[in-house]
Amino acid sequence: KNEVEQSPQNLTAQEGEFITINCSYSVGISALHWLQQHPGGGIVSLFMLSSGKKKHGRLIATINIQEKHSSLHITASHPRDSAVYICAAALYSGGGADGLTFGKGTHLIIQP
Amino acid sequence: NAGVMQNPRHLVRRRGQEARLRCSPMKGHSHVYWYRQLPEEGLKFMVYLQKENIIDESGMPKERFSAEFPKEGPSILRIQQVVRGDSAAYFCASSRLGPASANYGYTFGSGTRLTVV
Repeated sequence: KNEVEQSPQNLTAQEGEFITINCSYSVGISALHWLQQHPGGGIVSLFMLSSGKKKHGRLIATINIQEKHSSLHITASHPRDSAVYICAAALYSGGGADGLTFGKGTHLIIQP
Repeated sequence: NAGVMQNPRHLVRRRGQEARLRCSPMKGHSHVYWYRQLPEEGLKFMVYLQKENIIDESGMPKERFSAEFPKEGPSILRIQQVVRGDSAAYFCASSRLGPASANYGYTFGSGTRLTVV
């Protein structure tokens, strides 16, 4: 069974700070997703990674397959980045699908 | 492209009633996934469907819950005889390719918030 652990659970930072959110998983996966959920809102898929690094605007996601670890970075953070960031691991089971296993999320608050 | 559409956004049901949650996947997507987010908990996988087929329902409660994805129309998550513990946000996602493909991309809907009173 795959366990997905995120840290920190809660993070409050000042506008402009560099933010790092970590995600570790326990079994081999086919891909890892980073999702963003605003309070009372829907879920936005930020990245899907199977190796290396991806960048979109001020967001950067990296994954180390050997260490079973991924990080999400936010550069020049802004109050509108305040949200819950969720890491989700996708298992490749070949004949079927397990869907995604989700971390509990990191509650990020960026103060002006 | 309207994205993944879920409706209703909010649904209130009395205990014992039925709840029907609808999910229209993105155009061109034939794989649909349902997830439940209980208050103060993370998202949990419920069921994965392709057109007219349930591929994996390992996350679905054995009783009162069912899902379908007919040839025409949206995917439906049906909860019969709802109880207070069913109150949660239910999210649907869709993808063009299945999870066995290395680059299947998920798109999530905005969710349906079910409140059982």
